[in-house]
Amino acid sequence: NAGVTQTPKFQVLKTGQSMTLQCAQDMNHNSMYWYRQDPGMGLRLIYYSASEGTTDKGEVPNGYNVSRLNKREFSLRLESAAPSQTSVYFCASSIRTANTEAFFGQGTRLTVV
Amino acid sequence: DQQVKQNSPSLSVQEGRISILNCDYTNSMFDYFLWYKKYPAEGPTFLISISSIKDKNEDGRFTVFLNKSAKHLSLHIVPSQPGDSAVYFCAATPYSGAGSYQLTFGKGTKLSVIP
Repeated sequence: NAGVTQTPKFQVLKTGQSMTLQCAQDMNHNSMYWYRQDPGMGLRLIYYSASEGTTDKGEVPNGYNVSRLNKREFSLRLESAAPSQTSVYFCASSIRTANTEAFFGQGTRLTVV
Repeated sequence: DQQVKQNSPSLSVQEGRISILNCDYTNSMFDYFLWYKKYPAEGPTFLISISSIKDKNEDGRFTVFLNKSAKHLSLHIVPSQPGDSAVYFCAATPYSGAGSYQLTFGKGTKLSVIP
């Protein structure tokens, strides 16, 4: 029972490099999300996709792009990584966007040097 | 401007006793509240939720209380077990309409249950 799967689990990037974080869910959920968690902070929403074919900005979208590839997959791209993007990234999914719990992946720990 | 506040970064409780984790919110549009539990190196897992039409919701050892007038909610764990040791996040969202897609999280409270 995989749930939400994120790859990679760890990554070190140099400033200016690009990379894509992958996320897939097997729960047939409509909505998917990318959050980041920084030390001493709660989780903050980067982007979300309410349904296949739509994406919208969350609280902290600058420096990121997303693609909802299909109903299962939602990727997060850093075009030119900056040290301020060092964080733990969580992908999540939910059956719908409103008043429902989200299920989270295990996270990707990203360090930008 | 922190809309969801968990003012206690950490809490230690003896095994078998009650753990009470507190959460305050400032946004009056919030009317659906959730608690998540997070172990190190894992993603958050949903624990329990409550909508503003209720003042209490119970699930086994976990009970969430909501005081709308005080904009305060609390999570009670009775009895506490060592396996409950984790970081607990409070989250809130409007039930519908603008912003209902987004969970706003507090900074978390690290609970340590001492055997």
